[in-house]
Amino acid sequence: NAGVTQTPKFQVLKTGQSMTLQCAQDMNHEYMSWYRQDPGMGLRLIHYSVGAGITDQGEVPNGYNVSRSTTEDFPLRLLSAAPSQTSVYFCASSYLSMGYEQYFGPGTRLTVT
Amino acid sequence: ILNVEQSPQSLHVQEGDSTNFTCSFPSSNFYALHWYRWETAKSPEALFVMTLNGDEKKKGRISATLNTKEGYSYLYIKGSQPEDSATYLCAWGSGGGADGLTFGKGTHLIIQP
Repeated sequence: NAGVTQTPKFQVLKTGQSMTLQCAQDMNHEYMSWYRQDPGMGLRLIHYSVGAGITDQGEVPNGYNVSRSTTEDFPLRLLSAAPSQTSVYFCASSYLSMGYEQYFGPGTRLTVT
Repeated sequence: ILNVEQSPQSLHVQEGDSTNFTCSFPSSNFYALHWYRWETAKSPEALFVMTLNGDEKKKGRISATLNTKEGYSYLYIKGSQPEDSATYLCAWGSGGGADGLTFGKGTHLIIQP
């Protein structure tokens, strides 16, 4: 199993550009989530999904969209990038809910200039 | 947003010594408490997921306890080794399990040879 994969590893965007961060898992996990990690802030939940077709907002959803058309994939879309979205983004998955351990992807480091 | 607090923020421990640190979380509407180990340049890895008051879990030299009534969890490391150097994160889950996790900012542990 590849586990949780994320692409790209690094990305530089200009303010106003849009892009999609990809996340995929091959463990047949129902629960997937996106976090951002900023210095001194810890991991903050952006969006999460409890299964295909179901998504919900986390703590910091503004400026991001998600969809979950398949169990395997959970892409995160930045609609119009802003410097405040410079961060490291982690995708995670778990078996059914947050009552199970989460498996994290390797992260995407995004810089918005 | 309800806070998850971890203390201390950082900790220097001599190799061979034992240590412990604390995670405090809201005691209402508890669902699960997670501990993760996060090494520099890697992704967080799950140590424990606890769901019942009084739970105690152990993995090698690392153990954790849970008190949901008063809203705290302790992580213990016995006989610290240099490879234990990492940031230790706790995360609190509330509701019925279909919500997201709220992470603390972590305890940064440095083991000195």
